[in-house]
This record gives sequence, structure tokens and C-alpha cells, in this order.
Amino acid sequence: NAGVMQNPRHLVRRRGQEARLRCSPMKGHSHVYWYRQLPEEGLKFMVYLQKENIIDESGMPKERFSAEFPKEGPSILRIQQVVRGDSAAYFCASSPPGLAGDSGELFFGEGSRLTVL
Amino acid sequence: GENVEQHPSTLSVQEGDSAVIKCTYSDSASNYFPWYKQELGKGPQLIIDIRSNVGEKKDQRIAVTLNKTAKHFSLHITETQPEDSAVYFCAARRTFGNEKLTFGTGTRLTIIP
Repeated sequence: NAGVMQNPRHLVRRRGQEARLRCSPMKGHSHVYWYRQLPEEGLKFMVYLQKENIIDESGMPKERFSAEFPKEGPSILRIQQVVRGDSAAYFCASSPPGLAGDSGELFFGEGSRLTVL
Repeated sequence: GENVEQHPSTLSVQEGDSAVIKCTYSDSASNYFPWYKQELGKGPQLIIDIRSNVGEKKDQRIAVTLNKTAKHFSLHITETQPEDSAVYFCAARRTFGNEKLTFGTGTRLTIIP
């Protein structure tokens, strides 16, 4: 059973370009979370999605950032018109559907490291 | 929303000694508290977790304690080994549905051979 797959692992963009990060959750998992990690910092929540629905986007910047998790295919985190401050590691995590009271452990991918020149 | 604070930010211990990392949380409704280990260039991996109906949990050299009244929980690593060197994150969440995990700021643990 493959783990959470993220690609690309490394992405270099120039200021003003677009970055697209992909995440395929573990088999059977229907919940996807995106986190951002700046160098030497912790994991900051960005967005939580279920298939075709955004459940919580309270951590997403209001502009330039969007996320989707279509019925078919991976979840996509899209950053338009990137700036140097967007340089970070972006981690995707998935969890299985859970019953109330279930721990719903998060399984993380290896991350996508975005560098903006 | 939930706020998790973690201390210390860096910790160096002699190989074989114990390491303790502490976290506090703000949301009294949080009832699931995992600890993740992140090695250089890798994603975080769950090493142990505890739920609010349990005060302590142990798995070999790793243990976690929870004080719900004081809203703090701690990670204890005994007989530390070089491979324990990593960044450790605590986290907290409610478990009514798959809500988000809120992470602490991390502790960089270095084991000195």
C-alpha cells in the first residue's frame, strides 16, 4: 500500500510564474490536508479537503492560493504569481474516513519544496 | 481556534540520557494529541499519540503523558540513541470528524555521541 505521494519533490519558479503541487492520498483515504513549512519553522495548516469539497480553508492566503481535490485524480495546490516569500516546503497529509471519536491519524507525504527565484 | 506551544525549541542530550519535550494547548475540547518525528528532508511521521481518556502511554523507549486539567502533554524519550536526532512536533485536535491538526513549533533534538 503506497503512502501519500507528492510531486514534484522539488520545484523552481521565477517570480510571477505559477506553481502546481500534486498530492495523491493513500488508498482508501478521502481526506487531504495541506500544510506549509518555512525553513526552521513548524507546520502551518493551509486547507482541508474531501473529495470535491473544501472543508476548511482558514489557513489559506486570501489571494493567489487555491486548492482542489477532484472526484478523479490527485489534490492540487495552486499558487499563482509566486513571490519569494512563497518559498517553502509544502506537505500533504491524508486520513481515512473516520467515525466520531476516531483519531483519524494523518499520514504525511515527503513534501514538495518550492524555490522562487 | 487551537493554539499549541512547544518547548524547548532546541535540545541537546548525551547519548543514553533522557529527553523531555513539553507542549501546552488552548482548546479544552481537543482530545487527540499525537507526536511526529521529522528527519531531514522527509515528511513528519507519527511516533506516538494519546487520547484524552488516557493519562499516559508508553511504547518501548517513548512515552507520552497528558494532563487535561492543566492542558499540557509531554514526550519522554529514554536511553536516547543517535537515530533519535530529528525535529519533533506535538499536535492537538478535536476528533469530532476529521478536523485539522494544529502543530507546535517543533523541537530540534540532537543526541551527542
